[in-house]
Amino acid sequence: GAGVSQTPSNKVTEKGKYVELRCDPISGHTALYWYRQSLGQGPEFLIYFQGTGAADDSGLPNDRFFAVRPEGSVSTLKIQRTERGDSAVYLCASSLIGQDNEQFFGPGTRLTVL
Amino acid sequence: GQQVMQIPQYQHVQEGEDFTTYCNSSTTLSNIQWYKQRPGGHPVFLIQLVKSGEVKKQKRLTFQFGEAKKNSSLHITATQTTDVGTYFCAGRRNTGTASKLTFGTGTRLQVTL
Repeated sequence: GAGVSQTPSNKVTEKGKYVELRCDPISGHTALYWYRQSLGQGPEFLIYFQGTGAADDSGLPNDRFFAVRPEGSVSTLKIQRTERGDSAVYLCASSLIGQDNEQFFGPGTRLTVL
Repeated sequence: GQQVMQIPQYQHVQEGEDFTTYCNSSTTLSNIQWYKQRPGGHPVFLIQLVKSGEVKKQKRLTFQFGEAKKNSSLHITATQTTDVGTYFCAGRRNTGTASKLTFGTGTRLQVTL
């Protein structure tokens, strides 16, 4: 079956621009997570959705970052006024309801801010 | 905030040698998961440990959760080139229903013939 998909796979933008990153979770997975991974580091938690609502957004670094999941399926991570320090791979994961379940990761979106 | 450290950062072994990575949390965990990330790939779930002192095995891989639920280890017996990748532990604290996974710093394993 289809796994988690993310688009685009690569995004190059200029400092100050707005970007949107999309995640399509596995069908039926209620929980959805966004992480950011810099080179040589572990995934850093950003936000967790249970259905349509953000159950934990404590990892969002500042108010330039925002994520939505309006219908409880596809999610979009939005970054305003991008900075060079935002460059990283943005990973999305989904799981069955219940946080103790394994998370299935997508291939990630590599964001480069010039 | 919660920190999860792993040692070593990097290990290079010859095929057939054993490998161990250690994971230490600054806080007590409710459970811990292990993931493997191949070069250029995304993390893939390996296992979850929940109980204090729990030991689980998957073929050549042995996972342990410490008695105090603050540390864990992954041991690979007789490594193969297919074991190459970065191994991450990820811990969850006892903070209620919406607690996040905190990933460790990872151990990169290189295996050569």
